[in-house]
Formats: sequence, structure tokens, C-alpha cells
Amino acid sequence: DAGVIQSPRHEVTEMGQEVTLRCKPISGHDYLFWYRQTMMRGLELLIYFNNNVPIDDSGMPEDRFSAKMPNASFSTLKIQPSEPRDSAVYFCASSLQPNTEAFFGQGTRLTVV
Amino acid sequence: AQKITQTQPGMFVQEKEAVTLDCTYDTSDQSYGLFWYKQPSSGEMIFLIYQGSYDEQNATEGRYSLNFQKARKSANLVISASQLGDSAMYFCAMREPNRDDKIIFGKGTRLHILP
Repeated sequence: DAGVIQSPRHEVTEMGQEVTLRCKPISGHDYLFWYRQTMMRGLELLIYFNNNVPIDDSGMPEDRFSAKMPNASFSTLKIQPSEPRDSAVYFCASSLQPNTEAFFGQGTRLTVV
Repeated sequence: AQKITQTQPGMFVQEKEAVTLDCTYDTSDQSYGLFWYKQPSSGEMIFLIYQGSYDEQNATEGRYSLNFQKARKSANLVISASQLGDSAMYFCAMREPNRDDKIIFGKGTRLHILP
């Protein structure tokens, strides 16, 4: 398997624009996680899905953020409108079962200017 | 309250020495999993090792071992015979399958291996 695939790897956008980050989990993995990493706050869990259903979105910072998982092989994280403080590395990760390790994608480095 | 605490923001270790990275966790559940990840300067998150709360033996994976002390709620990572390529950020994480099954990370420890 190719592992967790995220796109784009880098995104630079202007404040106010919509940003969509994409993730393809490892085939057969039932769990998908979205994390945000910044120097100040470390690795924050934003939302996670089990069998395509959002289970916990308590980490989503505000209504500007939304995430979907329309099928088992694809998820998106959308920020609309984007703000400079959203600049971070966004990771997607997937795991096979409960209480097992998650495998991470390469991350998307988002810069909002 | 912090679920995962890593008290060492940074460490410097001489090459070939053993390294211990500290991690303490907070849970009232009996069933949980503990993980360590490595993040080199290139940025990817690499899974290293897993310890289940019911595992009797300490987990080992090559040069990595997890010193699991359940009563102390401690899950320290031990790297034997350190190499220059071990220089990276290391994160401890926990998952509680009977609670919310989220994977929560500590703040990390930056390890520098000196030649």
C-alpha cells in the first residue's frame, strides 16, 4: 500500500480564500484522523471518523473549519474563510482498528497570507 | 488536564549512548494503548512502537524499547546505541478505546545526537 496520501503538500493562499485539504487513507483502515501541528500548540486532534462517520469534532477550532468523509477512501478538511492564524501543518492519519497505531500522511503545509 | 506529559523539551546525547525519553500519562481506564512517534526535520510522523495496557512484557522494536511502568503511569522510550539519524522530535501518545478512542499526543521531546 502507498500509505496515507495527502494533497497538496504545500498551499499558500490569501486571507479570506477557501482552502481544501485532501486525504486518502490506507485501504481497509476504518479510522481517519485530522491533526494540526503548530509550534505553539503542538499536535492537536481536530476531528476523527470511524467508518466514514464523524465521531468527535470537538477539536475543530471554529465554524470556519469543516471535514467530510464521503467514502472509505477519501476525506477533506475545508477552511472557509481562511485566516493567517490557520497557518500550520495539517496531518491526516488512519488506523485499522481501535487501540492500534495510526499511520500518518506526509502533511500539508498551509500558509495563509 | 494534560493526558500525556513529556517533561524534557530537549536533550543532547553523545552518539552510541543509550537514551531515555520520558512520558507519563493520565487515565482512569484499564484498557489503553501507548505509542511513540518520531518526527525528523523533514516533517513526517513515523510510528515507532506500541504498548498495550494489558501487555505483560515491555514492547521492543529493534533499538527501541518501551519501559512500561503501569503503577507509575509511565511509558518511557529507550533508544539503545544512539545514532546521528536518531536526531528528531519524539512524541508520546495514548489511545483509550473504551472512552473516545482518540489518539492524544504529548508536546514532544527534541533529541539531538552529538557526534
